[in-house]
Parts: sequence; C-alpha cells; structure tokens
Amino acid sequence: GAGVSQSPRYKVAKRGQDVALRCDPISGHVSLFWYQQALGQGPEFLTYFQNEAQLDKSGLPSDRFFAERPEGSVSTLKIQRTQQEDSAVYLCASSLGGGRQGWGETQYFGPGTRLLVL
Amino acid sequence: KQEVTQIPAALSVPEGENLVLNCSFTDSAIYNLQWFRQDPGKGLTSLLLIQSSQREQTSGRLNASLDKSSGRSTLYIAASQPGDSATYLCAVIGLTGGFKTIFGAGTRLFVKA
Repeated sequence: GAGVSQSPRYKVAKRGQDVALRCDPISGHVSLFWYQQALGQGPEFLTYFQNEAQLDKSGLPSDRFFAERPEGSVSTLKIQRTQQEDSAVYLCASSLGGGRQGWGETQYFGPGTRLLVL
Repeated sequence: KQEVTQIPAALSVPEGENLVLNCSFTDSAIYNLQWFRQDPGKGLTSLLLIQSSQREQTSGRLNASLDKSSGRSTLYIAASQPGDSATYLCAVIGLTGGFKTIFGAGTRLFVKA
C-alpha cells in the first residue's frame, strides 16, 4: 500500500479482555516500531523489529504486552488481560532500512489504534 | 536517561506571523533529531530530519536548527497559515539506550485566520 495502515482504528475492551492490534507497514520496509501515546503526551517507544527479529522490546510496560512480526511484514501487538491504564493510542511506524540505518531514517507512521479499556 | 522538553506547550498566533518552537534534550549523544506534525486523530508526519553532524534543515517555510552541545533544536515556521494548526513533536534518537526514539510532549499550535 501507499502508507502504513493499522486496524482496527478504534477498539473498546472490557477490563481483562485480550486485544490484538494489527500494523501493515509500507511494503519493503525493514524496520517496524510500535509506540504508545497517552492523551496530551508524545509517543512512547514500545518495541522495534528488524524484519522478523524483535531487536528491542525494552519499552513494553509489562509481560501482558507481546508483539510479533513472523514473516517480516505485518506485525501484531497483543495485550493480554487489559487494564484501564492500557487505554491509549497505539502507533505503528516503519522505515526503509534496518539496524542503525533504520533507526536513523524517516519513520512513516500509521493513523493509530485508539484503545479504550472500560 | 534522555528527556525531551518542548516549549511552549501551546501557542496561538494570527495568520502570517513567523514563529519559533523550541525543543531541548538532556543527553547530547544523539544520532539524529526529527520534527513531526500530528493532526487530531491522525498519525505523525515527518517534517524534517537533522543528522547529528548537521546544523539545520529546510523544507519550504520550515527551518529546523540543531545545537547538540547545548541540547537544543528550534523549528522556525515562516508566514504561518491556518493549515499549519497541529501539534508539533520533536524526537531524538540517542546513541545509547538501544536507539529508542524519545519524543517530547509536543507544542499545540493554532493559527487564527
């Protein structure tokens, strides 16, 4: 596609439910990033993939958060046993290069998934 | 730990005014710095990327400067237009800490027609 797409755009979950958020990066982009953005704040880094390899997951807030990118393209962020504090916008971004080059290149962002946990 | 601060948090200006948005960061060991724009309910759009070896970048009415030694960057917007109304975010990638992208909280800009 022409840009990064994310689905669903909006998700309402009851506390304790599991959710899965999908990211389709720009075709051919090696690097993929997930961010969490709370209302009125800047995005906070969650995790980074280079192709299918998850090279940095230091930003994941707890072991309830899990991300994968099994074939090096589409990525899924899964949140188990959702809590109210998980309510935020989850942004996905991709960039063309990998490794240090990927980190240093322009990141292209998707529109985000707005998650509300009741 | 890298921290990024943006001042002011919000800004309202009349159309046509030139304006400056400020970004400061605590650790000067950065790989690059980027300025993004975010419209309500949408993702981020990259405006300018400055590598650590560069001093400034320009794109149209936008000019971004970088002073690593003082930990500061500015985004200059010339002849502002109502369509420039958005939140502007500054982000740095550090040379330590796993190359995370660290964002500021943003400056919300409103340009009045």
